[in-house]
Amino acid sequence: QQPVQSPQAVILREGEDAVINCSSSKALYSVHWYRQKHGEAPVFLMILLKGGEQKGHDKISASFNEKKQQSSLYLTASQLSYSGTYFCGTVNSGNTPLVFGKGTRLSVIA
Amino acid sequence: EPEVTQTPSHQVTQMGQEVILRCVPISNHLYFYWYRQILGQKVEFLVSFYNNEISEKSEIFDDQFSVERPDGSNFTLKIRSTKLEDSAMYFCASSGTRAADEQFFGPGTRLTVL
Repeated sequence: QQPVQSPQAVILREGEDAVINCSSSKALYSVHWYRQKHGEAPVFLMILLKGGEQKGHDKISASFNEKKQQSSLYLTASQLSYSGTYFCGTVNSGNTPLVFGKGTRLSVIA
Repeated sequence: EPEVTQTPSHQVTQMGQEVILRCVPISNHLYFYWYRQILGQKVEFLVSFYNNEISEKSEIFDDQFSVERPDGSNFTLKIRSTKLEDSAMYFCASSGTRAADEQFFGPGTRLTVL
């Protein structure tokens, strides 16, 4: 079951914050966040596991609300290098495949 | 740092021809995947492979597709009779000891079917 991401696209000025949401209609085991720059492969950002804690590194963090079957990715003080398409991927149980959402295109401008 | 590699980076073929896309996953990983991404669209799951057999496959992965791990390092995707709509970027990925572990993607093979 494909997760739903919102917004579809967002434009930020450098230094602004953004939140990208990912929701599922089914119970989640884990949520994976990836960033893909144009013409490149998706790059793993972080994984949030059921029962786990909020994760983050540098100015990118994420939360996982198991009850609401949602995850949010927080980008603070955005940099030009944050531009790209952000995909969330969801896993419904320990051995089911990762299913990606349609992505959120983030553009950071100077 | 270990990485997933894929060859070729770009493959051009005629409709109806067979193509084999090759991947070398990270050496101690146990789970292997193929994904497809049509230009400008989302990454779509094709198949996962564990313990020398397919563990999951999507409806995209029909009889025209097959996967193989012919030796201890390579993981291949074969498309038997390519169609125009097979044109896409194909990504291989691998993950460690659990299916839900983070997946590391290769750089992709751009397949163009003429």
